[in-house]
Amino acid sequence: KAGVTQTPRYLIKTRGQQVTLSCSPISGHRSVSWYQQTPGQGLQFLFEYFSETQRNKGNFPGRFSGRQFSNSRSEMNVSTLELGDSALYLCASSYPTDTQYFGPGTRLTVL
Amino acid sequence: GIQVEQSPPDLILQEGANSTLRCNFSDSVNNLQWFHQNPWGQLINLFYIPSGTKQNGRLSATTVATERYSLLYISSSQTTDSGVYFCAVVPYSGGSNYKLTFGKGTLLTVNP
Repeated sequence: KAGVTQTPRYLIKTRGQQVTLSCSPISGHRSVSWYQQTPGQGLQFLFEYFSETQRNKGNFPGRFSGRQFSNSRSEMNVSTLELGDSALYLCASSYPTDTQYFGPGTRLTVL
Repeated sequence: GIQVEQSPPDLILQEGANSTLRCNFSDSVNNLQWFHQNPWGQLINLFYIPSGTKQNGRLSATTVATERYSLLYISSSQTTDSGVYFCAVVPYSGGSNYKLTFGKGTLLTVNP
């Protein structure tokens, strides 16, 4: 089975722009979760989608949003980028298994 | 929210040595996973272990749910074991089982 894939792997944006990241879960998995990793805050939960519905949300501003499609692929969007949004963004897929499997991540740099 | 503390924060070993990494958590959990983050940033799943003991080659893990801690054992360490090890949990709340809270990790360096 193919693993979780994320595109793009690297991204450079400037402040004020917006960005869309994509995640394709393991075939058959229906839950996709997103996490942000920064040196200062560590790994933090952003949100989780299941069957095209957001089921959980972390403590992030409304500039961070996401969606899930009927094939379980998910996208997350960050609008009005700030320098502090520079991070590694990881997505994970799961269900029906409880184990979460992570993708390789998208490294976003905001200049 | 639930607190996850990992120790030690840093660990330096010689190749061939054994090590034990610890994860303490402040509440009952539905889900506990150990991950190894490789140099490129990907989180590699090591164990799903909300309770009990599991082994996979040179790695094993034990979670004592009633005492709220988990241990990851690495035997005969190799340089390729270097990296950051994370423990992550989902509190027992009756809600979604997929909102992981991570510890700050243990940075393991294995020298040849």
